[in-house]
Amino acid sequence: SQTIHQWPATLVQPVGSPLSLECTVEGTSNPNLYWYRQAAGRGLQLLFYSVGIGQISSEVPQNLSASRPQDRQFILSSKKLLLSDSGFYLCAGDRMASGANVLTFGAGSRLTVL
Amino acid sequence: GDSVTQMEGPVTLSEEAFLTINCTYTATGYPSLFWYVQYPGEGLQLLLKATKADDKGSNKGFEATYRKETTSFHLEKGSVQVSDSAVYFCALSATGGSYIPTFGRGTSLIVHP
Repeated sequence: SQTIHQWPATLVQPVGSPLSLECTVEGTSNPNLYWYRQAAGRGLQLLFYSVGIGQISSEVPQNLSASRPQDRQFILSSKKLLLSDSGFYLCAGDRMASGANVLTFGAGSRLTVL
Repeated sequence: GDSVTQMEGPVTLSEEAFLTINCTYTATGYPSLFWYVQYPGEGLQLLLKATKADDKGSNKGFEATYRKETTSFHLEKGSVQVSDSAVYFCALSATGGSYIPTFGRGTSLIVHP
């Protein structure tokens, strides 16, 4: 089975400070990996996805970036946080299960920008 | 493009009531359909899935049937519990073209004792 680890679980950062959220995957090799953001009371917004090492696709323009330095590591970064970056960030990996592409999510990282 | 539409929430029920959360989709081809659940403060987890027309997915007393003729995948449970309070997301994953899952906006369920 696949397990997604995310950290930190919670962080409070001032506007203009940098950000680094990390995600690692256990149990599968070469998964597609995803970063989602969930604003309070809202649905999921896909930010980035990756099909392999060094391959990143961005879904929305923003001051965030992502990197995949290793097969099972996916990092979300920012050089200067904005107030609007506050939210709940979720990393996910996919796997095939009974003919369906199923996502496994991490526990999330809650970011508050002050 | 592909899309998923869920009923607006929150849905508020008393314990042991019957639950239906509506979900309809648009997609080319024959997508797989999913329900994910998100408990407060946690990530999403797969609740159930169906991969072809007329398939019924089921788990923890929840059921959903893949209806191709109505492009629907409604979630049902006969008797909800307080512990079912969560946000429920309907999603699809296309079998051709983009593999990236498409999610609905989520429906919050609140169950009172």
